[in-house]
Amino acid sequence: AQKITQTQPGMFVQEKEAVTLDCTYDTSDPSYGLFWYKQPSSGEMIFLIYQGSYDQQNATEGRYSLNFQKARKSANLVISASQLGDSAMYFCAMRELPHSGAGSYQLTFGKGTKLSVIP
Amino acid sequence: GAVVSQHPSRVICKSGTSVKIECRSLDFQATTMFWYRQFPKQSLMLMATSNEGSKATYEQGVEKDKFLINHASLTLSTLTVTSAHPEDSSFYICSAPQGSYSNQPQHFGDGTRLSIL
Repeated sequence: AQKITQTQPGMFVQEKEAVTLDCTYDTSDPSYGLFWYKQPSSGEMIFLIYQGSYDQQNATEGRYSLNFQKARKSANLVISASQLGDSAMYFCAMRELPHSGAGSYQLTFGKGTKLSVIP
Repeated sequence: GAVVSQHPSRVICKSGTSVKIECRSLDFQATTMFWYRQFPKQSLMLMATSNEGSKATYEQGVEKDKFLINHASLTLSTLTVTSAHPEDSSFYICSAPQGSYSNQPQHFGDGTRLSIL
């Protein structure tokens, strides 16, 4: 079973509008972290925002905010006032302990959503 | 600025060549680094976990003898693609967590585009 599900392969948004990218996750661990990364066509992975499983408030970073609904196991990314430079692949990722309980936290990625901002 | 440096950014070489990719953490020590592979229009797939001072942990289906990993120091991990063939062509990207807790960021290198002719 997929641990991270991004159901939108591609999304279009008008410049200056807001857009929500969906992400649901599956874990039985009480302690985990959720991340969003942006990957432009050049390939680098750019960290956008983080939400911890124990955080009471939704994370915000500039134009990025995370709509965290723990009971639904969803962590949707909201981008406000979209800009042309926001066109990229967006990956949701979860960090939890390996099943063995030992070792470092591993990051598991969803399949990504390609966002295209229309002028 | 970048906190993880990956080199080279692009490699084009003939089939049968071995290719070494370096991943360095800048300004922090990384006892663990991760190596990912990404095919076009797909997500990142974890290949292996590089551990300083011990053997790397490989994911299921990843050939240990094909993808040699050496974590030489607390700031350097290398991935060597041995006797590379066209099917090894891909985008390889490393990352290093800045700590061992779930809420600490995982920094990525800029990736290496490997093309085997």
